Amino acid sequence: AQRVTQPEKLLSVFKGAPVELKCNYSYSGSPELFWYVQYSRQRLQLLLRHISRESIKGFTADLNKGETSFHLKKPFAQEEDSAMYYCALTGGYQKVTFGTGTKLQVIP
Amino acid sequence: NAGVMQNPRHLVRRRGQEARLRCSPMKGHSHVYWYRQLPEEGLKFMVYLQKENIIDESGMPKERFSAEFPKEGPSILRIQQVVRGDSAAYFCASSPNLRQGSGANVLTFGAGSRLTVL
Repeated sequence: AQRVTQPEKLLSVFKGAPVELKCNYSYSGSPELFWYVQYSRQRLQLLLRHISRESIKGFTADLNKGETSFHLKKPFAQEEDSAMYYCALTGGYQKVTFGTGTKLQVIP
Repeated sequence: NAGVMQNPRHLVRRRGQEARLRCSPMKGHSHVYWYRQLPEEGLKFMVYLQKENIIDESGMPKERFSAEFPKEGPSILRIQQVVRGDSAAYFCASSPNLRQGSGANVLTFGAGSRLTVL
């Protein structure tokens, strides 16, 4: 079975502070991990994927197989980062499982 | 390319009625996923389909719920004899048919269908 855990429902940080959204996964095979974001009144959309090792809007995420984690980080939060963030795992047969999401609130 | 289209956007049903939610994937996408989002909760996987084939329906309730993705036309999520607990937002997403392990299985989401059961 594949599972994604996001332990925080809500994360509040001040503008300019560092952000870390936690994601842990459980999967017996080789996982493909993604972060999706949903801004207010917009559709859920891809933010970044582990295989690309990219930085999008200042966010990065490193896959740590030893800790089975894929935490999302940004050194300096901006107000426009306020949104709902979902960690997702693609496992067997390309089934995509999402975590319960973390709402990021950036306080001006 | 209009993206993933879901309709209706809002649907109101009385207990015992049937609800049908439709999803047209992006052009060129052969895989469709359905997720349910209850108030204050995240996305819960329901079912994953290819054309004319259900690949994984492990998240579907055993009774009253069914899904199809016919050769022609949209994917349909059908809920029979709805109950108040079925009230939720139902999201559809599509992806191309990619080699597993490519890391490119990115989902494109629709705007969702909000079902309210009175």
